[in-house]
Amino acid sequence: DVKVTQSSRYLVKRTGEKVFLECVQDMDHENMFWYRQDPGLGLRLIYFSYDVKMKEKGDIPEGYSVSREKKERFSLILESASTNQTSMYLCASSKQGEDYGYTFGSGTRLTVV
Amino acid sequence: KQEVTQIPAALSVPEGENLVLNCSFTDSAIYNLQWFRQDPGKGLTSLLLIQSSQREQTSGRLNASLDKSSGRSTLYIAASQPGDSATYLCAVSDYKLSFGAGTTVTVRA
Repeated sequence: DVKVTQSSRYLVKRTGEKVFLECVQDMDHENMFWYRQDPGLGLRLIYFSYDVKMKEKGDIPEGYSVSREKKERFSLILESASTNQTSMYLCASSKQGEDYGYTFGSGTRLTVV
Repeated sequence: KQEVTQIPAALSVPEGENLVLNCSFTDSAIYNLQWFRQDPGKGLTSLLLIQSSQREQTSGRLNASLDKSSGRSTLYIAASQPGDSATYLCAVSDYKLSFGAGTTVTVRA
């Protein structure tokens, strides 16, 4: 069964901490994405990557960075966590091309206190 | 910018009734459209993927139609069950995925 695995289901961090959210896919997908989901705002794209070492800003990149050193792994980094980054974070991957859908991970619920 | 709208926002039906969920989008230049299910506090599970050249897709009790020219898709769930209670999200793909806000479905036993 193909999978997108997010390393943590729940995470509690303090304001100002550097936070790493990890995502690994086993489908050899070229594309990987990070979204956050908030009540009333839906899913919003933070960053995405079309290839190793490549990254593109999404709709809300401020306060975040990403790293993709290997094809299967895409990390989201909160350089200095703030309370307004408390959210559900969802990672997704897809194969390159127009005919393919997205596969999502189970999400990481991050609380910044 | 692609805008995706889902109507209704919430739906409550008795078990056994058929469900009809609607999705509309503003830009018809899409690669495909995907329907997802999300249970509370969980990730997204893909239900159906419809290519832009297709009119519909079926999987078990689920059927989704796509009318790209009018910017509409409909998800039908036949003979609903309490286990179908969840939030259903529609997403359209051009160079990125744009989501609707979802329809929260409650199926009463």
